[in-house]
Amino acid sequence: GENVEQHPSTLSVQEGDSAVIKCTYSDSASNYFPWYKQELGKGPQLIIDIRSNVGEKKDQRIAVTLNKTAKHFSLHITETQPEDSAVYFCAAHSVANSGYALNFGKGTSLLVTP
Amino acid sequence: DAGVTQSPTHLIKTRGQQVTLRCSPKSGHDTVSWYQQALGQGPQFIFQYYEEEERQRGNFPDRFSGHQFPNYSSELNVNALLLGDSALYLCASTPGGGNTDTQYFGPGTRLTVL
Repeated sequence: GENVEQHPSTLSVQEGDSAVIKCTYSDSASNYFPWYKQELGKGPQLIIDIRSNVGEKKDQRIAVTLNKTAKHFSLHITETQPEDSAVYFCAAHSVANSGYALNFGKGTSLLVTP
Repeated sequence: DAGVTQSPTHLIKTRGQQVTLRCSPKSGHDTVSWYQQALGQGPQFIFQYYEEEERQRGNFPDRFSGHQFPNYSSELNVNALLLGDSALYLCASTPGGGNTDTQYFGPGTRLTVL
C-alpha cells in the first residue's frame, strides 16, 4: 500500500521565519495531496491541498509544491506566527490503489516562538 | 454552516465492553469516513460509508463496524474493547457530486480503554 514519510518530526522556528515540511510518497498513482493542521485537542483542519496536475499552489502565507517525478511534496509557511504552532500532517490519495482512504504521514510538530 | 460534529467528546470504557461513537457530516456532504488516531501518529483509515453501505474498509478487525443513516449521519461501533483501542476516533465527511477525495474532519472522540 501507499507509504507516506514526513520530515522533520519536530520543527522550531522564530516568529517571522519560514517553515518547510517535506513528505515523500511511494505510490506513483497518487494524485491528491492535502495538508492538515491539528491543534491540541482538536481534529485535523484542511489548510491546503494540491492535485497532480499542478506543481505549486499558494494561499496567503501557505504554499505547497509537488514534484511528481521525485514523488515528494512540501508545505511552506512564510512569516510564521505563534498561532501557526500545531501538528501538521501530509497525506496522499490514490483512487487506483487506496480507493477512498487518505494515507497520512506521522506528523510534524511545529513550534513558533515569539 | 456547521462543520462535522462528533459525540461524545470523551469516553472511558473497560476492556471487553462495547462502544458507539456518532458523527454528523457537514451540510451537503453524503460520505462519511472513520479514522483512528493513536497518540503521536497520523490518522489510520477504518472505513467509509456512502449511500448507507460500507464502501471501503481499512486494515481493522471485524470488531469495528459502522452504520450510515438516511440523513448521512454515521455511527462507529467497537466490540470487545482492547487496551490498544484507546485512541482519538475521527470522522470525516466528503462533499457529494463526484468529489471523492477531499475530506473534512470533526473534532474527534477520545476513547480511553482501561
